[in-house]
Amino acid sequence: LAKTTQPISMDSYEGQEVNITCSHNNIATNDYITWYQQFPSQGPRFIIQGYKTKVTNEVASLFIPADRKSSTLSLPRVSLSDTAVYYCLVGQYNFNKFYFGSGTKLNVKP
Amino acid sequence: DAGVIQSPRHEVTEMGQEVTLRCKPISGHDYLFWYRQTMMRGLELLIYFNNNVPIDDSGMPEDRFSAKMPNASFSTLKIQPSEPRDSAVYFCASSSYRKGGTDTQYFGPGTRLTVL
Repeated sequence: LAKTTQPISMDSYEGQEVNITCSHNNIATNDYITWYQQFPSQGPRFIIQGYKTKVTNEVASLFIPADRKSSTLSLPRVSLSDTAVYYCLVGQYNFNKFYFGSGTKLNVKP
Repeated sequence: DAGVIQSPRHEVTEMGQEVTLRCKPISGHDYLFWYRQTMMRGLELLIYFNNNVPIDDSGMPEDRFSAKMPNASFSTLKIQPSEPRDSAVYFCASSSYRKGGTDTQYFGPGTRLTVL
């Protein structure tokens, strides 16, 4: 089971780029890396997923180095509404034991 | 699509009572997950189903917890008897198999359970 390690919390200001790094030293060959976002009183919501190199969508970018032992979620020009908890998950497509961990609480200030 | 539907949204009960939480997954999804979230333990996977069959229930904390999925559009999580330490937000999520990658899990709004 590939567990993940993330910073507990981060502070940022509106308009800044935020990078949240996740460590997953025991990632397996078939594992994908997925990030979720959770607002208070809501269920987590999928942000982005990747296997290697770089993935970008309309919300974020995901950078994965060649050894895949870590990944970085990049949020461009954050706003107050990006204040949430961000979870990094590692798992295979057969859903063996997705582990959400504690996540990173991002606080965006005006 | 209406998304994952959970009921009730809030439940307050007394210790010893039976509690039943309900979930309707997104139509066409063949995986269903039950999670529990508390401040102390974070988000924990309790059990998940594939095509209505329980695949992994190792996260179910005790025999007081049971889950069923009688058909593709309905699942229940039952706690009997309930205890104060069961107070938490319970989430249901669903997804569909996609070859070549892990699938996005779509979460419901959760049921906030308070056991007095």
